[in-house]
Amino acid sequence: NAGVTQNPKFQVLKTGQSMTLQCAQDMNHNSMYWYRQDPGMGLRLIYYSASEGTTDKGEVPNGYNVSRLNKREFSLRLESAAPSQTSVYFCATQLSIEDTEAFFGQGTRLTVV
Amino acid sequence: GENVEQHPSTLSVQEGDSAVIKCTYSDSASNYFPWYKQELGKRPQLIIDIRSNVGEKKDQRIAVTLNKTAKHFSLHITETQPEDSAVYFCAASERNTGFQKLVFGTGTRLLVSP
Repeated sequence: NAGVTQNPKFQVLKTGQSMTLQCAQDMNHNSMYWYRQDPGMGLRLIYYSASEGTTDKGEVPNGYNVSRLNKREFSLRLESAAPSQTSVYFCATQLSIEDTEAFFGQGTRLTVV
Repeated sequence: GENVEQHPSTLSVQEGDSAVIKCTYSDSASNYFPWYKQELGKRPQLIIDIRSNVGEKKDQRIAVTLNKTAKHFSLHITETQPEDSAVYFCAASERNTGFQKLVFGTGTRLLVSP
């Protein structure tokens, strides 16, 4: 069991470039989330997917799009990267409905220059 | 929506001392409060959680207390060890039409000196 796997682990982009962050889980969880982590600001929710086929905006969705490809995969896309999107991105999963543990991927460190 | 405040932002203690991290939340409907530990360069991992029908929960050297009336909860670590050094995040659940989202505090960097 790999748990929650993110790719890539590190990425450097130039301003205006696009990229997709990949997340896959083998935990059979319904809910998936994308967070960004910035110094002094904790973990902020970008987008989430309560179940396959649904996605919703979180606290900081501007500049991002997501796709819930199937139950296992939830991708985050930056269409035109900006330096303000330099951050560490974490994907997470949870069982839906009940209040349960969130399982995080290992993170993607993104730098936009 | 839910808002979670966490204090202090940094905490330095000597090995063997106790450490206390405090969080407040705004939404009285929140009923699930987990704590995550994140070691340097690693992913956050759950260390303990508490639900609103319980006032205190312990797991070895770690305990969490909840005061629903005051809307605050705290993490207590006793007999701290150098391996407790990490960033700790509190969180509160935000209910949205039956679906749970976690709202995180801004984190506390705990440094335990030998």
